[in-house]
Amino acid sequence: KQEVTQIPAALSVPEGENLVLNCSFTDSAIYNLQWFRQDPGKGLTSLLLIQSSQREQTSGRLNASLDKSSGRSTLYIAASQPGDSATYLCAVPASGSRLTFGEGTQLTVNP
Amino acid sequence: DTEVTQTPKHLVMGMTNKKSLKCEQHMGHRAMYWYKQKAKKPPELMFVYSYEKLSINESVPSRFSPECPNSSLLNLHLHALQPEDSALYLCASSQVPLPTGNYGYTFGSGTRLTVV
Repeated sequence: KQEVTQIPAALSVPEGENLVLNCSFTDSAIYNLQWFRQDPGKGLTSLLLIQSSQREQTSGRLNASLDKSSGRSTLYIAASQPGDSATYLCAVPASGSRLTFGEGTQLTVNP
Repeated sequence: DTEVTQTPKHLVMGMTNKKSLKCEQHMGHRAMYWYKQKAKKPPELMFVYSYEKLSINESVPSRFSPECPNSSLLNLHLHALQPEDSALYLCASSQVPLPTGNYGYTFGSGTRLTVV
């Protein structure tokens, strides 16, 4: 059974700092991995999808990497801003169309 | 249109009420999902519709009844709910069931349900 773990559970940084969120998964036979952002009480916004054949995906200040063999993905946020404050979730498709989520990293960027 | 639209955004209902949550997408996606999310926890899968047929029911109580009238619409009918059913209900879609490669999941903004 696929298990996804995210570290740290919470992170508080000053504005402008570069930061890394970590995601690990137990079954390396994944098709892809998706990073989401969730603001309090809101839905999930897809940030990046990285295919199993890719090593990196970039969108603006965000960069996601994937190392299938070691079961790890990282989300790098450059020059963080207060508007980046949210919960970040990583997820991988599992058997039967199930999407397995990590517990999330709650990020606070302080002005 | 690259969105999943959920209505209503907020719903308060009594334990004897019957209500419905609605979800709509016009991306041509053939799989649609209902998730339940409690505070500070990740979403939990409830139901999967694949090509308009129910393919997965994660042992959800019968007071939750899903319906997929067509490939663009997904409903969740609610009846005789309990206060512990209060949560954020999220609808999602994907181009195909179990998306591979460059296909991912698109989520709606959710319905905040409060059962009183």
